[in-house]
Amino acid sequence: DARVTQTPRDKVTEMGQEVTMRCQPILGHNTVFWYRQTMMQGLELLAYFRNRAPLDDSGMPKDRFSAEMPDATLATLKIQPSEPRDSAVYFCASGLSLDRRATEAFFGQGTRLTVV
Amino acid sequence: SQQGEEDPQALSIQEGENATMNCSYKTSINNLQWYRQNSGRGLVHLILIRSNEREKHSGRLRVTLDTSKKSSSLLITASRAADTASYFCASVADRGSTLGRLYFGRGTQLTVWP
Repeated sequence: DARVTQTPRDKVTEMGQEVTMRCQPILGHNTVFWYRQTMMQGLELLAYFRNRAPLDDSGMPKDRFSAEMPDATLATLKIQPSEPRDSAVYFCASGLSLDRRATEAFFGQGTRLTVV
Repeated sequence: SQQGEEDPQALSIQEGENATMNCSYKTSINNLQWYRQNSGRGLVHLILIRSNEREKHSGRLRVTLDTSKKSSSLLITASRAADTASYFCASVADRGSTLGRLYFGRGTQLTVWP
């Protein structure tokens, strides 16, 4: 049963600490998304990769956030230093985008981040 | 912003009634998708309609797409208490490097009372 796996599921950290969230996309998928969800802002796209290349990270605060795909089986989202306003649920999703066709995205269960 | 918008923001109905949610988007799309999210969980894909399709059915779900109005609707027939969740539409970009990018709306919170 193919699924997107995110770790950790929950993270509580102190302000100023580094936070790393990991995502294992579904094997064979070539697109990866990182979203942040809050009550106030809804679902915000932070980063979008296709074939491991970053295509859109315009929604990501560049001074403290970074997203990478070191290989096809791992995507990471890092916050350094973390701030209380970063508290949110972070979702990773993967999908398939070929030529002019794009399929549905499969979401992980999310990482609930609390920065105190 | 290229995000879409769902309407209404909240919908409360009785079991057995139909629920209709609407979505508007701004970009040229490859397809439009609807997702469901139960509280505290990840989003689950429900149905995808391509830009050259006008209507699609899946079980109790019916989706329509009007590309001239840049709008879509999701109809859930004979609703059940278990349908209580947030529903999101996502327009999928059609152009170049943004192909496959998902633009989400703010969602409709559906509550179905037993």
